[in-house]
Amino acid sequence: DAKTTQPNSMESNEEEPVHLPCNHSTISGTDYIHWYRQLPSQGPEYVIHGLTSNVNNRMASLAIAEDRKSSTLILHRATLRDAAVYYCILTYGGATNKLIFGTGTLLAVQP
Amino acid sequence: NAGVMQNPRHLVRRRGQEARLRCSPMKGHSHVYWYRQLPEEGLKFMVYLQKENIIDESGMPKERFSAEFPKEGPSILRIQQVVRGDSAAYFCASSLGVNTEAFFGQGTRLTVV
Repeated sequence: DAKTTQPNSMESNEEEPVHLPCNHSTISGTDYIHWYRQLPSQGPEYVIHGLTSNVNNRMASLAIAEDRKSSTLILHRATLRDAAVYYCILTYGGATNKLIFGTGTLLAVQP
Repeated sequence: NAGVMQNPRHLVRRRGQEARLRCSPMKGHSHVYWYRQLPEEGLKFMVYLQKENIIDESGMPKERFSAEFPKEGPSILRIQQVVRGDSAAYFCASSLGVNTEAFFGQGTRLTVV
Protein backbone atom coordinates (compact mmCIF):
# COMPACT_ATOMS: atom_id res chain seq x y z
CA ASP A 1 0.00 0.00 0.00
CA ALA A 2 1.33 3.43 -0.94
CA LYS A 3 2.32 5.55 2.04
CA THR A 4 1.18 9.05 2.99
CA THR A 5 2.95 11.63 5.12
CA GLN A 6 1.10 14.27 7.12
CA PRO A 7 2.14 16.78 9.79
CA ASN A 8 1.40 15.50 13.28
CA SER A 9 -0.58 18.57 14.28
CA MET A 10 -1.83 21.93 13.06
CA GLU A 11 -3.62 24.87 14.59
CA SER A 12 -6.19 27.16 13.13
CA ASN A 13 -8.40 30.00 14.23
CA GLU A 14 -12.14 29.76 14.02
CA GLU A 15 -13.69 31.01 10.78
CA GLU A 16 -10.35 31.00 8.97
CA PRO A 17 -9.44 28.63 6.12
CA VAL A 18 -7.34 25.59 6.91
CA HIS A 19 -5.03 23.83 4.48
CA LEU A 20 -4.07 20.31 5.53
CA PRO A 21 -1.21 18.90 3.43
CA CYS A 22 -0.52 15.30 2.51
CA ASN A 23 2.47 13.86 0.65
CA HIS A 24 2.14 10.62 -1.28
CA SER A 25 5.16 10.48 -3.54
CA THR A 26 4.79 6.74 -4.26
CA ILE A 27 1.19 7.00 -5.43
CA SER A 28 0.33 4.85 -8.43
CA GLY A 29 -1.89 5.80 -11.32
CA THR A 30 -4.88 3.90 -9.99
CA ASP A 31 -4.71 5.01 -6.34
CA TYR A 32 -7.55 7.17 -5.07
CA ILE A 33 -6.90 9.83 -2.43
CA HIS A 34 -9.35 9.74 0.47
CA TRP A 35 -9.71 12.00 3.49
CA TYR A 36 -11.45 10.96 6.67
CA ARG A 37 -11.60 12.60 10.05
CA GLN A 38 -12.20 11.30 13.53
CA LEU A 39 -13.70 13.45 16.24
CA PRO A 40 -12.99 12.49 19.84
CA SER A 41 -14.77 9.30 20.92
CA GLN A 42 -16.46 8.87 17.56
CA GLY A 43 -16.08 6.70 14.50
CA PRO A 44 -14.25 8.07 11.46
CA GLU A 45 -16.22 10.27 9.12
CA TYR A 46 -15.75 10.52 5.36
CA VAL A 47 -14.69 13.97 4.18
CA ILE A 48 -13.82 13.78 0.50
CA HIS A 49 -11.99 11.72 -2.11
CA GLY A 50 -10.60 12.12 -5.61
CA LEU A 51 -8.40 10.61 -8.28
CA THR A 52 -6.88 13.33 -10.45
CA SER A 53 -9.09 16.41 -10.56
CA ASN A 54 -9.79 18.79 -7.73
CA VAL A 55 -13.01 17.98 -5.89
CA ASN A 56 -15.47 20.07 -3.91
CA ASN A 57 -18.29 19.04 -1.61
CA ARG A 58 -20.27 20.63 1.18
CA MET A 59 -17.60 19.81 3.74
CA ALA A 60 -14.35 20.63 2.04
CA SER A 61 -12.27 20.89 -1.12
CA LEU A 62 -9.51 18.58 -2.26
CA ALA A 63 -6.70 20.05 -4.30
CA ILE A 64 -4.54 17.44 -6.03
CA ALA A 65 -1.12 18.34 -7.42
CA GLU A 66 -0.63 17.85 -11.13
CA ASP A 67 1.89 15.05 -10.55
CA ARG A 68 -0.43 13.60 -7.85
CA LYS A 69 2.46 13.28 -5.42
CA SER A 70 0.72 15.55 -2.93
CA SER A 71 -2.72 16.85 -2.09
CA THR A 72 -4.30 19.41 0.22
CA LEU A 73 -7.54 19.24 2.10
CA ILE A 74 -9.09 22.69 2.39
CA LEU A 75 -11.64 23.58 5.05
CA HIS A 76 -12.93 26.93 3.92
CA ARG A 77 -14.03 28.23 7.32
CA ALA A 78 -12.92 26.26 10.32
CA THR A 79 -15.35 25.84 13.19
CA LEU A 80 -14.76 24.42 16.64
CA ARG A 81 -16.54 21.25 15.47
CA ASP A 82 -13.80 20.69 12.89
CA ALA A 83 -11.28 19.90 15.63
CA ALA A 84 -10.38 16.29 14.88
CA VAL A 85 -7.69 13.97 13.56
CA TYR A 86 -7.62 14.14 9.76
CA TYR A 87 -6.40 11.13 7.81
CA CYS A 88 -5.15 11.14 4.24
CA ILE A 89 -5.41 7.62 2.81
CA LEU A 90 -4.71 6.02 -0.56
CA THR A 91 -6.82 3.16 -1.82
CA TYR A 92 -5.88 0.87 -4.65
CA GLY A 93 -8.22 1.74 -7.46
CA GLY A 94 -10.93 -0.67 -8.45
CA ALA A 95 -10.21 -3.29 -5.86
CA THR A 96 -11.28 -2.39 -2.38
CA ASN A 97 -12.35 0.27 0.04
CA LYS A 98 -9.91 -1.07 2.60
CA LEU A 99 -8.49 1.94 4.43
CA ILE A 100 -4.99 1.94 5.90
CA PHE A 101 -4.96 4.68 8.52
CA GLY A 102 -1.73 6.44 9.37
CA THR A 103 -1.25 8.76 12.33
CA GLY A 104 -3.06 11.66 10.69
CA THR A 105 -3.00 15.35 11.54
CA LEU A 106 -4.51 16.54 14.79
CA LEU A 107 -6.24 19.82 14.00
CA ALA A 108 -6.85 22.21 16.86
CA VAL A 109 -9.24 25.11 16.26
CA GLN A 110 -8.94 28.15 18.50
CA PRO A 111 -11.95 30.39 19.14
CA ASN B 1 -31.98 5.82 6.19
CA ALA B 2 -30.26 4.83 9.37
CA GLY B 3 -26.50 4.88 9.40
CA VAL B 4 -24.25 1.98 10.24
CA MET B 5 -25.51 0.50 13.47
CA GLN B 6 -23.22 -1.24 15.88
CA ASN B 7 -24.23 -2.97 19.06
CA PRO B 8 -23.60 -3.13 21.81
CA ARG B 9 -21.94 0.27 22.24
CA HIS B 10 -20.13 -0.94 25.33
CA LEU B 11 -19.30 -4.52 26.20
CA VAL B 12 -17.55 -5.83 29.28
CA ARG B 13 -16.22 -9.37 29.30
CA ARG B 14 -14.15 -11.37 31.74
CA ARG B 15 -10.97 -13.00 30.50
CA GLY B 16 -11.78 -16.25 28.74
CA GLN B 17 -15.32 -15.31 27.74
CA GLU B 18 -16.54 -14.76 24.21
CA ALA B 19 -17.37 -11.36 22.72
CA ARG B 20 -19.81 -10.93 19.84
CA LEU B 21 -19.94 -7.56 18.12
CA ARG B 22 -22.70 -6.84 15.64
CA CYS B 23 -22.79 -4.46 12.71
CA SER B 24 -25.76 -3.63 10.52
CA PRO B 25 -24.56 -1.84 7.39
CA MET B 26 -26.42 0.97 5.71
CA LYS B 27 -29.36 -0.14 3.59
CA GLY B 28 -28.19 -1.42 0.24
CA HIS B 29 -24.54 -1.70 1.24
CA SER B 30 -22.98 -5.09 0.65
CA HIS B 31 -19.38 -4.24 1.60
CA VAL B 32 -18.48 -4.35 5.29
CA TYR B 33 -15.15 -3.60 6.96
CA TRP B 34 -14.03 -4.05 10.57
CA TYR B 35 -11.33 -1.92 12.22
CA ARG B 36 -9.81 -1.95 15.68
CA GLN B 37 -8.48 1.01 17.63
CA LEU B 38 -6.39 0.14 20.65
CA PRO B 39 -6.13 2.77 23.40
CA GLU B 40 -3.94 5.69 22.30
CA GLU B 41 -3.29 4.05 18.93
CA GLY B 42 -4.51 4.43 15.38
CA LEU B 43 -7.18 2.52 13.53
CA LYS B 44 -6.10 -0.83 12.13
CA PHE B 45 -7.88 -2.68 9.36
CA MET B 46 -9.02 -6.15 10.35
CA VAL B 47 -11.27 -7.70 7.71
CA TYR B 48 -13.31 -6.92 4.59
CA LEU B 49 -16.42 -8.90 3.80
CA GLN B 50 -19.09 -8.98 1.16
CA LYS B 51 -22.29 -10.93 1.59
CA GLU B 52 -21.35 -14.46 2.70
CA ASN B 53 -17.72 -14.00 1.62
CA ILE B 54 -14.52 -12.91 3.33
CA ILE B 55 -12.59 -10.88 0.78
CA ASP B 56 -9.57 -9.76 2.79
CA GLU B 57 -8.72 -10.88 6.32
CA SER B 58 -5.11 -9.79 6.29
CA GLY B 59 -5.55 -7.73 9.47
CA MET B 60 -7.23 -10.39 11.56
CA PRO B 61 -5.26 -12.03 14.35
CA LYS B 62 -4.63 -15.65 13.44
CA GLU B 63 -6.35 -17.10 16.48
CA ARG B 64 -9.55 -16.43 18.41
CA PHE B 65 -10.95 -13.87 15.95
CA SER B 66 -13.51 -14.58 13.26
CA ALA B 67 -15.96 -12.57 11.19
CA GLU B 68 -18.99 -13.33 9.11
CA PHE B 69 -21.54 -11.45 7.03
CA PRO B 70 -24.43 -13.81 6.36
CA LYS B 71 -26.97 -13.45 3.57
CA GLU B 72 -29.50 -12.26 6.13
CA GLY B 73 -28.70 -10.29 9.24
CA PRO B 74 -25.82 -8.25 10.54
CA SER B 75 -22.12 -8.84 10.24
CA ILE B 76 -20.63 -10.41 13.35
CA LEU B 77 -17.11 -10.06 14.71
CA ARG B 78 -16.48 -12.83 17.19
CA ILE B 79 -13.63 -12.94 19.68
CA GLN B 80 -13.21 -16.18 21.59
CA GLN B 81 -11.44 -16.47 24.95
CA VAL B 82 -10.88 -12.76 25.26
CA VAL B 83 -7.72 -11.41 26.89
CA ARG B 84 -7.01 -7.98 28.33
CA GLY B 85 -5.13 -6.99 25.18
CA ASP B 86 -8.39 -7.28 23.21
CA SER B 87 -9.73 -4.22 25.03
CA ALA B 88 -10.27 -1.66 22.28
CA ALA B 89 -12.83 0.18 20.23
CA TYR B 90 -14.06 -1.88 17.28
CA PHE B 91 -15.48 0.03 14.35
CA CYS B 92 -17.49 -1.28 11.47
CA ALA B 93 -17.86 0.50 8.14
CA SER B 94 -19.96 -0.17 5.09
CA SER B 95 -19.89 1.03 1.51
CA LEU B 96 -21.93 0.66 -1.63
CA GLY B 97 -18.92 -0.41 -3.64
CA VAL B 98 -15.21 0.17 -3.97
CA ASN B 99 -13.67 3.63 -4.16
CA THR B 100 -16.81 5.15 -2.73
CA GLU B 101 -17.25 6.71 0.65
CA ALA B 102 -17.30 4.38 3.61
CA PHE B 103 -19.70 5.05 6.44
CA PHE B 104 -18.58 4.16 9.94
CA GLY B 105 -20.59 3.16 12.96
CA GLN B 106 -20.09 4.62 16.42
CA GLY B 107 -18.10 1.59 17.47
CA THR B 108 -18.24 -1.01 20.19
CA ARG B 109 -15.96 -0.40 23.13
CA LEU B 110 -14.84 -3.73 24.51
CA THR B 111 -13.36 -3.89 27.98
CA VAL B 112 -11.89 -7.15 29.21
CA VAL B 113 -11.59 -7.41 32.97
